[in-house]
Amino acid sequence: DAGITQSPRHKVTETGTPVTLRCHQTENHRYMYWYRQDPGHGLRLIHYSYGVKDTDKGEVSDGYSVSRSKTEDFLLTLESATSSQTSVYFCAITAGLAGGSFNEQFFGPGTRLTVL
Amino acid sequence: AQSVTQLGSHVSVSEGALVLLRCNYSSSVPPYLFWYVQYPNQGLQLLLKYTSAATLVKGINGFEAEFKKSETSFHLTKPSAHMSDAAEYFCAVSEGSSSNTGKLIFGQGTTLQVKP
Repeated sequence: DAGITQSPRHKVTETGTPVTLRCHQTENHRYMYWYRQDPGHGLRLIHYSYGVKDTDKGEVSDGYSVSRSKTEDFLLTLESATSSQTSVYFCAITAGLAGGSFNEQFFGPGTRLTVL
Repeated sequence: AQSVTQLGSHVSVSEGALVLLRCNYSSSVPPYLFWYVQYPNQGLQLLLKYTSAATLVKGINGFEAEFKKSETSFHLTKPSAHMSDAAEYFCAVSEGSSSNTGKLIFGQGTTLQVKP
């Protein structure tokens, strides 16, 4: 299994509070991603990173920010949590291109976030 | 823009019966296509991937999928369902070019139920 951990695994918070989720990898992979999973929507990309301090927005980035100061850590921050951000959040990593094709992504175990 | 449609949010089969999970994609460039499986309260695990080599792709646990460009489809099959196959399955597409960042667009997911 790819070395990906997410913390916390479960969190309950109140509307308006800041929340930071952490993704940590031991694979030294270049690319890291944050997705959210909601029933009927599959997984949707929030933000991704293609190197230290290099990040970009995904499909559903409003209300979220990210930071990557080290290769192994990718942080997702909800500046002021809302009930619509109640979801399961997954981190994924990939080494990138190899042999002309993009490697598959490996997923962490997920963080279940509830915003009351 | 790329998109993925999985036909049928729930599929139910009897143990030993054929499994067929449907996936259609839309992409303006040659795609990379993936099938992932998610067991309850776990992250996603790669079943198989298509990256422009053989159109019939074999994956883990006896699953396979065929890339059909003319039908823009990448359906997942398994000849004989096992109880342990009960899970949620996701089809995903990524741009198949060297300039992409590996971002995945997921379908809505299909829950497979296997009846004894």
